Amino acid sequence: SQQGEEDPQALSIQEGENATMNCSYKTSINNLQWYRQNSGRGLVHLILIRSNEREKHSGRLRVTLDTSKKSSSLLITASRAADTASYFCATDTYSGAGSYQLTFGKGTKLSVIP
Amino acid sequence: EAQVTQNPRYLITVTGKKLTVTCSQNMNHEYMSWYRQDPGLGLRQIYYSMNVEVTDKGDVPEGYKVSRKEKRNFPLILESPSPNQTSLYFCASSPGQGDYEQYFGPGTRLTVT
Repeated sequence: SQQGEEDPQALSIQEGENATMNCSYKTSINNLQWYRQNSGRGLVHLILIRSNEREKHSGRLRVTLDTSKKSSSLLITASRAADTASYFCATDTYSGAGSYQLTFGKGTKLSVIP
Repeated sequence: EAQVTQNPRYLITVTGKKLTVTCSQNMNHEYMSWYRQDPGLGLRQIYYSMNVEVTDKGDVPEGYKVSRKEKRNFPLILESPSPNQTSLYFCASSPGQGDYEQYFGPGTRLTVT
């Protein structure tokens, strides 16, 4: 079942600009994670934000989480051509009996034009 | 180097011919899972395993089998592949469930004709 939905589906910006991607979800979460995928390759973990956290930074990445609105955003500052990739949010939810489920959205395709 | 490996990376096969995609991790992770990725549908979980001999269905398990006889290996078995199983498959592992990142393999592109 799809939980996270990224917005926009595709984003094209000039090198040096900031890129913002959003993720909305429907049910309570344990944490929310962002991953990057270069074309046809495996996903790479970027950042994990727990449900009791509001903001997290990692290098040029800034992630915010608003549990009241059930939404998260990923900001990439001073983008580079190498940031061109698809970005996925994944929501981790407790599914009972000590088990968690990580559910991925459909992704935002970011193109950074040199 | 810590990694998740998958084999084969590319496979073209015919309907009904049983195949196995192997997945191995060298990080002593307890949790492993399989996903398929299709255009417009994102990643969907097929099966997962919380530990040796413990497996459970994900969102799209029909037509697939898995086994977890050793901690490091988690093969995906398609006993009678059909064209609708043409997809990009990823294996992933993590130390556990909950507050852990997933480590992904490089992917296996499967075409069933």
